[in-house]
Amino acid sequence: EDQVTQSPEALRLQEGESSSLNCSYTVSGLRGLFWYRQDPGKGPEFLFTLYSAGEEKEKERLKATLTKKESFLHITAPKPEDSATYLCAVSGGATNKLIFGTGTLLAVQP
Amino acid sequence: GAVVSQHPSRVICKSGTSVKIECRSLDFQATTMFWYRQFPKQSLMLMATSNEGSKATYEQGVEKDKFLINHASLTLSTLTVTSAHPEDSSFYICSARDADRENEQFFGPGTRLTVL
Repeated sequence: EDQVTQSPEALRLQEGESSSLNCSYTVSGLRGLFWYRQDPGKGPEFLFTLYSAGEEKEKERLKATLTKKESFLHITAPKPEDSATYLCAVSGGATNKLIFGTGTLLAVQP
Repeated sequence: GAVVSQHPSRVICKSGTSVKIECRSLDFQATTMFWYRQFPKQSLMLMATSNEGSKATYEQGVEKDKFLINHASLTLSTLTVTSAHPEDSSFYICSARDADRENEQFFGPGTRLTVL
């Protein structure tokens, strides 16, 4: 069964304190792994798509990496405005539907 | 690019009424649109997949007669919650898949439905 597990559930950082969020997945025939940011009461905002192991993508303070079993979202020197829920999702198999993890709630304190 | 809008952003209705939510892709053509439901502090649960010009495919446990989906054009899909009840209160989010970027979905801002 296709599955996505994110850890930790919640993470509290001080401004400038770098860290990583984890997304472990099992899927038959990975088509893509996606990272989204979701603010309270809003829809998910697209961040990255990763397609194959070894691939990396960066955007400002965020960097996403992918292996055959997991993905990491590295946050370098975070700022309070980076506070949000970060969602990981995979698509694969015959249906190509997105399967979401439960997210990591990140709080960055000034 | 890849902007998706939803309307309304918030709706409050009485039990037994029907509510229609619109989802539009503003700057791209979406051959496929998706409808999700999200409960507080939980992740997104796919309700149905909607392909332009054909019937929607519903996920297991989702009542197709209760949640009517229409995808009449490449830029518009609608979700109608029929005879809404308090347990239908939730955050409904649509997404659209760009035909030129087959694997990526872009999400709307969501609609908060409250049924009294």
